Order: sequence, then structure tokens, then C-alpha cells
Amino acid sequence: GESVGLHLPTLSVQEGDNSIINCAYSNSASDYFIWYKQESGKGPQFIIDIRSNMDKRQGQRVTVLLNKTVKHLSLQIAATQPGDSAVYFCAERSGGSYIPTFGRGTSLIVHP
Amino acid sequence: SAVISQKPSRDICQRGTSLTIQCQVDSQVTMMFWYRQQPGQSLTLIATANQGSEATYESGFVIDKFPISRPNLTFSTLTVSNMSPEDSSIYLCSAGSGSSTDTQYFGPGTRLTVL
Repeated sequence: GESVGLHLPTLSVQEGDNSIINCAYSNSASDYFIWYKQESGKGPQFIIDIRSNMDKRQGQRVTVLLNKTVKHLSLQIAATQPGDSAVYFCAERSGGSYIPTFGRGTSLIVHP
Repeated sequence: SAVISQKPSRDICQRGTSLTIQCQVDSQVTMMFWYRQQPGQSLTLIATANQGSEATYESGFVIDKFPISRPNLTFSTLTVSNMSPEDSSIYLCSAGSGSSTDTQYFGPGTRLTVL
């Protein structure tokens, strides 16, 4: 079936650096994409979303980029902080379905 | 957004027993879901909890093993029946409006260990 996957299972960065987490998807019908952050012992927390009619969306310290040509999604975190350490999941929805398909997840480790 | 709570937060159970997990949302929501997350893995949807009717199960999950109730628009339960060590996992409740402009929100999860 269709899948959503991540290139890097673990990303280690120094505090203050910018982080980029990548995600590839295979369903060309995907029209809505979400990034979730999951801290240890907690449920996934919504970070930012983007629709397929956009290629960039910015939030507080986070930016999501969407490249529909190559079916690639990225999450950029500016000035990464220790509190950003978590597992980040991308998810996609398509065809009007409310239920997303989750990617594998990337563990972000921020070193002080 | 919706604030979602789950009880218990964690439990250790003996094989062959059953555990019921409760999910409470602080506002009325159209849709509620139950997910399973194995350690270090992504989320797998178990079922959609439908208010007033039987839950809709995903492939690989059956009602006899994971009975679900949803008596109203703010509450749902998931029972893990006749547990085995393979059922050890985090069980997550999520909820949302079902609108194309809205996303799902998740509870903190229930960490289940089956001995």
C-alpha cells in the first residue's frame, strides 16, 4: 500500500543549530500533511500542518516545506533547544479521509 | 484543540487477563480513535470509535480482542482482552472534529506491559 517514510531515524544536533527532519511520501493523492512531536512518555503533539496547495508554511521556530514533485516533506527547526529533543512524525491524509498515515519517526537529540 | 486524558497511564498485567483503558475528551468531538504504538515504532490505527454504534476496525484488529465502547461524544473505552506479552505496547486515544481543516489530537497514552 501507500507509505510515508523518513530518511533518518536519528538526528543529533548541537543546541542553537538548525535542524532539518525529512519525510518522503508515496501517495500522489496526499493533500494534507502534518508534523507531530512526541516526547518520551507522552502522546504525539501537533506542531504544524501544510496543504498540498502550498509549498511552505512557517510557525514559531518551525518551517515545513513541501515538494510535491518529488513527494518530499521537511520540518526545519530554528535555533534548536534541548526541549526540542523528541521523536518527530510526519503524517499525510488524502482523498478527504480524516485518518492520517504516519511515517516511521525520527528521533531528534539536542546536545547542550 | 481538544484536551484528552487517559486512564490508567500505565499498567502491568498478567497474561490471560483483560484491561480496559478509558479516554476522556474535554469537549464534544465527532471522531475518536484508538492507536497502538510499539516501543520505538510509529502509530498503528486499531479502530475508529463510533458514537452509538459498533467501532470500525482496521485490518488485523478484531472486536473480540479489542472491544471498544463510545457511549457519548466525550468518552470512549478500549479493552485489551485475553492479553499476551505481544500486547505490550502504548495505547493512544485521539480525537478530532473530522473536518478537513482540523487535525487529530492525542492523549498521553497508556503504557501496557503484559507478563
